[in-house]
Amino acid sequence: SYELTQPPSVSVSPGQTARITCSGDALPKKYAYWYQQKSGQAPVLVIYEDNKRPSGIPERFSGSSSGTMATLTISGAQVEDEADYYCYSPDSTGNHWVFGGGTKLTVL
Amino acid sequence: QITLKESGPTLVKPTQTLTLTCTFSGFSLSTNGVGVGWIRQPPGKALEWLAFLYWNDDKRYSPSLNRRLTITKDTSKMQVVLTMTNVDPVDTATYYCAHAKLNGNWYFDLWGRGSLVTVSS
Repeated sequence: SYELTQPPSVSVSPGQTARITCSGDALPKKYAYWYQQKSGQAPVLVIYEDNKRPSGIPERFSGSSSGTMATLTISGAQVEDEADYYCYSPDSTGNHWVFGGGTKLTVL
Repeated sequence: QITLKESGPTLVKPTQTLTLTCTFSGFSLSTNGVGVGWIRQPPGKALEWLAFLYWNDDKRYSPSLNRRLTITKDTSKMQVVLTMTNVDPVDTATYYCAHAKLNGNWYFDLWGRGSLVTVSS
């Protein structure tokens, strides 16, 4: 079955740039999406179609994708950005949806 | 404004059937390019996609759970129902329903708050 691979954790100091990667064989042909999930809350979409930001998401969140890897970048990470981040993408058939294993971002 | 809310039992015994209801508002599941999906998250673990219902009543299921899941809709009640048969303690999780849209790919743009289900005898 199709898998998306993320690092389990990323740690940065406030104001630094955090980068979270997601690798998957179908990413050259499928968009990547990113969700932020704070403790005890439902996931929130922060990036769609590789690099687009929904309304209300701060400009410090950006996304990119190249080959089999997508990247979520948080420029000038803030303490309130501490959360689990999940990438998401369909498999090559487009019929099944897959989440990455999640990355815990620590900002301290 | 789109909202979704999950409801169902909080405790289910092993081997029983779990039925969860997603009641939504702010959109029609008859509209081309709209769908609703179910996703779960065991305590402390990652998100796992379970099932998807398209506006035209087409359905997709996670390959690993396909035989145990059924997703249906009641358009008049604005509800989507997920049933899972023969539950096991490993099915203990928060179950989310989410609104999906087609824009390039299908993706979930808005989620309900989730419903915690514990499987235990």
